[in-house]
Amino acid sequence: ETGVTQTPRHLVMGMTNKKSLKCEQHLGHNAMYWYKQSAKKPLELMFVYNFKEQTENNSVPSRFSPECPNSSHLFLHLHTLQPEDSALYLCASSQDPEGSGELFFGEGSRLTVL
Amino acid sequence: AQTVTQSQPEMSVQEAETVTLSCTYDTSESNYYLFWYKQPPSRQMILVIRQEAYKQQNATENRFSVNFQKAAKSFSLKISDSQLGDTAMYFCAFSYSGNTPLVFGKGTRLSVIA
Repeated sequence: ETGVTQTPRHLVMGMTNKKSLKCEQHLGHNAMYWYKQSAKKPLELMFVYNFKEQTENNSVPSRFSPECPNSSHLFLHLHTLQPEDSALYLCASSQDPEGSGELFFGEGSRLTVL
Repeated sequence: AQTVTQSQPEMSVQEAETVTLSCTYDTSESNYYLFWYKQPPSRQMILVIRQEAYKQQNATENRFSVNFQKAAKSFSLKISDSQLGDTAMYFCAFSYSGNTPLVFGKGTRLSVIA
């Protein structure tokens, strides 16, 4: 079992759909992150949660809505997305955001917006 | 703002040979961390090696070693005795002390050829 689990692994949705990505970490970490990975671009940080509180929102469009009900779970709610939002969405966790910076990643959710 | 540059989008190496992946970064901070992450095809990203900027000694993890040149802001990864399982995307990343999350480069796709 991996330390960080993401579901679904693959998602295809239309621009008018509402869907959610889920992330769960089993490492006892206090910080969780959403990154967007697009081809030929650096990983883009989207959101950071520390002890369930959002500490960073990196100018992400409102069609992406994060939710962190507890330190082990993180969701990314998707609504009226655009085709350019198609990407691999990576969840990660760390012991705490004030540490050395080592992140533990999930396998990602591959999103395709039609 | 910190930036990380990986100038080699793709590289290939023969099995059992040595390959070096390049990374440069830009920061005005003096205390920070540098990382190399590996992302195998369709698998999760994992940490390969980490370097603290205040340490002059280059980090080593088995067949993986770094050449950290602080004045030049260079952080290259050397893979010795390359194996087929080393085929992956390799990302260089940066964080300054006490403040994650990481800033990533665009990645280098490494192919190990039998």
